[in-house]
Amino acid sequence: SQQGEEDPQALSIQEGENATMNCSYKTSINNLQWYRQNSGRGLVHLILIRSNEREKHSGRLRVTLDTSKKSSSLLITASRAADTASYFCATDKGAQKLVFGQGTRLTINP
Amino acid sequence: DVKVTQSSRYLVKRTGEKVFLECVQDMDHENMFWYRQDPGLGLRLIYFSYDVKMKEKGDIPEGYSVSREKKERFSLILESASTNQTSMYLCASSRTSQSDEQYFGPGTRLTVT
Repeated sequence: SQQGEEDPQALSIQEGENATMNCSYKTSINNLQWYRQNSGRGLVHLILIRSNEREKHSGRLRVTLDTSKKSSSLLITASRAADTASYFCATDKGAQKLVFGQGTRLTINP
Repeated sequence: DVKVTQSSRYLVKRTGEKVFLECVQDMDHENMFWYRQDPGLGLRLIYFSYDVKMKEKGDIPEGYSVSREKKERFSLILESASTNQTSMYLCASSRTSQSDEQYFGPGTRLTVT
């Protein structure tokens, strides 16, 4: 079964707006990671947040983790056309095995 | 920069053929992984390897095997390709020790007819 589940499945916003994607999971984790995938390509790692962290920033990205609610969110601020992609969360329960959600497809309209 | 390469971007094979998908990484990573990606199902782990000549089954190993004779190379083998193995196949690698980010190759889109 899927460990991470993203919400919404698809999101369409105007360039310059902020985009928020959510991820929920079921069991305890070591860390949670977010990846981006451009159409038909491999995944690119964006950010990793450990289970003892609550918030992390990287450029225009902000990730939060609430282990009590078993959820995480990815915020992209001041979106750009180049941010159009699918975004996946992946949970790591240990032993380097990641379990990916089905992803959120983000479209940035010019 | 870490580079993970896969032997083909697109591949078309016939039912029953033996198919080899090759993956090479250039960063001396210990761990290597094979996933398949299907619409509505996300990425699913097929096999992974922590070291040379070592392999572990992932969530969906049926119909697949793997080989890791050298640290930098991890091969996925479809012993007898079937139409339900039509998919996007993604290889990834990561360093050892604690949980770490995975570096992905560009993917191979395999069609079995």
